[in-house]
Amino acid sequence: KAGVTQTPRYLIKTRGQQVTLSCSPISGHRSVSWYQQTPGQGLQFLFEYFSETQRNKGNFPGRFSGRQFSNSRSEMNVSTLELGDSALYLCASSLDRDGGISTDTQYFGPGTRLTVL
Amino acid sequence: QQQVKQSPQSLIVQKGGISIINCAYENTAFDYFPWYQQFPGKGPALLIAIRPDVSEKKEGRFTISFNKSAKQFSLHIMDSQPGDSATYFCAFTSNNRKLIWGLGTSLAVNP
Repeated sequence: KAGVTQTPRYLIKTRGQQVTLSCSPISGHRSVSWYQQTPGQGLQFLFEYFSETQRNKGNFPGRFSGRQFSNSRSEMNVSTLELGDSALYLCASSLDRDGGISTDTQYFGPGTRLTVL
Repeated sequence: QQQVKQSPQSLIVQKGGISIINCAYENTAFDYFPWYQQFPGKGPALLIAIRPDVSEKKEGRFTISFNKSAKQFSLHIMDSQPGDSATYFCAFTSNNRKLIWGLGTSLAVNP
């Protein structure tokens, strides 16, 4: 099976711009989560989508948004970029995190490195 | 907000030595402790995971031990190899299904 793919791999934007990142999960995986990774903060959870619905959300401002399509592919959007948004954005997919506490393995993509100038 | 404190931040071990990484968590309501390994330029990948009803789990050279009373779990890498050089993250599942992550340990194994 192909792994999780993310596009683009690298992105340079300037403050105030907006950006859209794309994630294609492993075939058959229905849950997609997004994380922001920075050296000082580690992995910070952004949100999780399941069956085109946001099922969970982290503590990020409304400038960060996402969506999931019927084929489970997901996009995240960051509007009005700030310098502090420079980070590696990781997407992870899992089979199904349905109800209760899940122990599903999350499979990560290689990430999109976003640099905001 | 529930947190997990991971230590050390960085670790240098000689080839053949034992690497030990610790994580201490707060509060309760968890049932899954995965460890992830991340190489430069790659996303994290699941290395090994444990549930709290088990005190230890071993997979090859990697062992997780769990101390519920101390609210701590540890990763031991026996016979560490240069190929183990990576960043290691501990995590646990919170009661709202989010994975709470440690800040990572950068491991360097000298040949």
